[in-house]
Amino acid sequence: DIQMTQSPSTLSASVGDRVTITCRASQSISTWLAWYQQKPGEVPKVLIYKASSLETGVPSRFSGSGSGTEFTLTISSLQPEDFATYYCQQYNSYWWTFGQGTKVEIK
Amino acid sequence: EVQLVESGGGLVQPGGSLRLSCAASGFTLSSYALSWVRLAPGKGLEWVSSISGSGSSTYYADFVKGRFTISRDNSKKTLFLQMSSLRAEDTALYYCAKVMGAGGGIATTCLGNWGQGTLVTVSS
Repeated sequence: DIQMTQSPSTLSASVGDRVTITCRASQSISTWLAWYQQKPGEVPKVLIYKASSLETGVPSRFSGSGSGTEFTLTISSLQPEDFATYYCQQYNSYWWTFGQGTKVEIK
Repeated sequence: EVQLVESGGGLVQPGGSLRLSCAASGFTLSSYALSWVRLAPGKGLEWVSSISGSGSSTYYADFVKGRFTISRDNSKKTLFLQMSSLRAEDTALYYCAKVMGAGGGIATTCLGNWGQGTLVTVSS
């Protein structure tokens, strides 16, 4: 199975900060990677697919990059509504795996 | 509008069984693979199982293989998850989700729509 490792597990930041979350795959997954945002009590929402494609309706302050085994999600200027947990997910194989999640908290 | 509505969760004893359902609407069901993903208390999202649009191909996470069975009835627009030999660690909110890409397969497509989830609690 492909293991996905996110870092950090928790991130404290202020409104307006630039935030970067990293996701590493245990083997190459090309660009078959998605990023999801989940707020407490809400369902997950896809932000980025195919490593860098922005889902329709997602603000442009979100961006994704990477290929192979190293990927990043960047929020260029953190907004109050962005405080949430973020997950990466690989879909290179039929047996999908998620990262353990990164909780973005208010500093 | 895509809608996914899960049902069937509840309290079950260890070793017991439960059948989850997910009623789908707003899209051509047979054109899309569907999946179950769970969120356990204090933990992260965990992929459980996927099924192709036709139902001919199924995939399972190692931790449920042999215990859970995914199936679908496209004529009734419903996805199922039959769970048996349940363990305390299966306690979670179970989401039904639809892939983004049409074509029926699960390769090269991630999850675009999610239901609200149904809660499964395994406890004596």
